[in-house]
This record gives sequence, C-alpha cells and structure tokens, in this order.
Amino acid sequence: AQTVTQSQPEMSVQEAETVTLSCTYDTSESDYYLFWYKQPPSRQMILVIRQEAYKQQNATENRFSVNFQKAAKSFSLKISDSQLGDAAMYFCVYNVPGGGADGLTFGKGTHLIIQP
Amino acid sequence: DTGVSQNPRHKITKRGQNVTFRCDPISEHNRLYWYRQTLGQGPEFLTYFQNEAQLEKSRLLSDRFSAERPKGSFSTLEIQRTEQGDSAMYLCASSLARGQGLPYNEQFFGPGTRLTVL
Repeated sequence: AQTVTQSQPEMSVQEAETVTLSCTYDTSESDYYLFWYKQPPSRQMILVIRQEAYKQQNATENRFSVNFQKAAKSFSLKISDSQLGDAAMYFCVYNVPGGGADGLTFGKGTHLIIQP
Repeated sequence: DTGVSQNPRHKITKRGQNVTFRCDPISEHNRLYWYRQTLGQGPEFLTYFQNEAQLEKSRLLSDRFSAERPKGSFSTLEIQRTEQGDSAMYLCASSLARGQGLPYNEQFFGPGTRLTVL
C-alpha cells in the first residue's frame, strides 16, 4: 500500500522568509502524481501545486516550488516570501492515475505558522 | 457554481443514532469522493462515484457506512448506529474523470461536515 510521510508536524517561519516542508512516500508504481494541498483554518482544502512523476522538471507556481527526487521518493515544498495568508495545514498527497480506488492518499500534514 | 457544498456544516448526535450528510459537487463534475478526517490526521479516502455508479466502496470503514448518488448529481453519506469513534470531519470532493481534458485527478473539496457523537 502507498504511504505518505510528513515528518514535520509543525513549522514556523518569519513573514517574507523561505520555508521548506518535507514529504516522503512509498510506492511500487512508476507513474503517479504528487500534490501539495493547503487547508487554511476553517476553510476548504485547495490545491497548491502538482507534480507528474514522469516529469523530471520540478513544478513551480508563483512563490511555491517543489523539489521532486523520484529515486529517493522525496517531494518537498518550498514557499518563498512567506505571507500571513500562507498559514495553514499543508498536506502532501499521492495519487495513481487509473488506480482502482482513485482516491487521494494524504500525509498527516504540517501545520505552518507565519510569524509577523 | 461556486464550488462543492456540504450540508449540514455541523452535526451533533447521540450514540446509536443515524446521521446523513449531503454533498453537492461542482455541476460539471462527474466524479464525487468522500473522505474522513480525524483530528490531527490527513483525510482518509472512503468511497467514490462516477456519475451514479459507486466504483469503490471497500474503503468504507464498516457496514454502518453507506453512500449513494442516485441521479449522478448530489450524494449522501449515511452512518447508522453512530459510535463516538465516528466523530470526525467528513469531506466531499469532486472532479472530472481523468481524460476529460486533464491527465490527472484534481479534486475540489467542500468545507466538510463536522460530526460530533456524544
């Protein structure tokens, strides 16, 4: 079974600084997708960034970028120029296209605190 | 359409009672998913539908849990004979089926229904 591990229950960063959230996963699949989802307090889960496993280039979305190391099964999220609105739970998520269940596999999450 | 909606947002019930939650997906989405999120954990996949067909239900937590999507639009999740361990946030998400313009499965989440079983 696929598992996703986020070893940092909580991270804190000063506003405008850069922070990196870690994620490792375990799978025997070669084709899959990885995502980072953000869950702000009392608000809906939203997609931050995605990475296709077959792509070597790391995904970037504005201030958010990932470091995808397929051989190491590592998928970290870097947030540059942190803003107060970035405060949230961040979940690393795994999905296999065409997988029977097609549900997302979530890590336990990292609570990101932004210090003003 | 402003997104996925779920009702009620909060439900308090007594142990042994039945509860039903509703999810209205984004209108053009043919896939609908249910997840459970307990405190301090990431969401856990329960089941999903493509149109009205329930394509995966082996992940439902017990036979007390059931879900329906009778007309391929909204869905309901029912928990019978609730237990205190059922207290959690129940999340619904919807997406297009893979291949309908996207190779991956971007799921859009609702705000959730928080269940408290006393």
